[in-house]
Amino acid sequence: AQSVTQPDARVTVSEGASLQLRCKYSSSVTPYLFWYVQYPRQGLQLLLKYYSGDPVVQGVNGFEAEFSKSNSSFHLRKASVHWSDSAVYFCAVSMRYGGSGNKLIFGTGTLLSVKP
Amino acid sequence: EAAVTQSPRSKVAVTGGKVTLSCHQTNNHDYMYWYRQDTGHGLRLIHYSYVADSTEKGDIPDGYKASRPSQENFSLILELASLSQTAVYFCASSDLGGPSAETLYFGSGTRLTVL
Repeated sequence: AQSVTQPDARVTVSEGASLQLRCKYSSSVTPYLFWYVQYPRQGLQLLLKYYSGDPVVQGVNGFEAEFSKSNSSFHLRKASVHWSDSAVYFCAVSMRYGGSGNKLIFGTGTLLSVKP
Repeated sequence: EAAVTQSPRSKVAVTGGKVTLSCHQTNNHDYMYWYRQDTGHGLRLIHYSYVADSTEKGDIPDGYKASRPSQENFSLILELASLSQTAVYFCASSDLGGPSAETLYFGSGTRLTVL
């Protein structure tokens, strides 16, 4: 069975600092991997996704993530965070569900707080 | 732009009462989903649908029913609301073809409080 682990429930960084949010997945095959962001009182929005190929994928707003098959990880990075990046970040893995549909399995999320 | 609209935005219900959460999408997507968000659990799939007039159970369907009367509309029904169903509910849609394949588009959520 597929699963996703986000070991850090909360991360606090200073504005302008670099960021890494960790995500570990468990899957018998290489899954589709996603990072979503949830701003306060909003739904989730896609940041980036990985299907295959180059293990470093670029997303919106300067975010990138690196897929590592050997480590079963898909960590999210940003070189310089802004206060507006404060949000909850979810890692997710995709699997076909019951022969049809796209079921996303979500991690528990990491709350990012950016200090001014 | 793709859009998923949920109503109501928030609701307070009494234990044992009936609650209906509505979702409307203008994405022309075949797939629609209902997720529940609880602190410490992330999002969990309740029901989903890949075609009108058909619904499928997700991971936590007990206590919930779903209805997909058209491609655009997908409802979540709590026939007998319970305290444990207090949560934020998200609707989402997706398509399996094209450049946006596998991406879920979420509504803004419905905050349900059962008293």
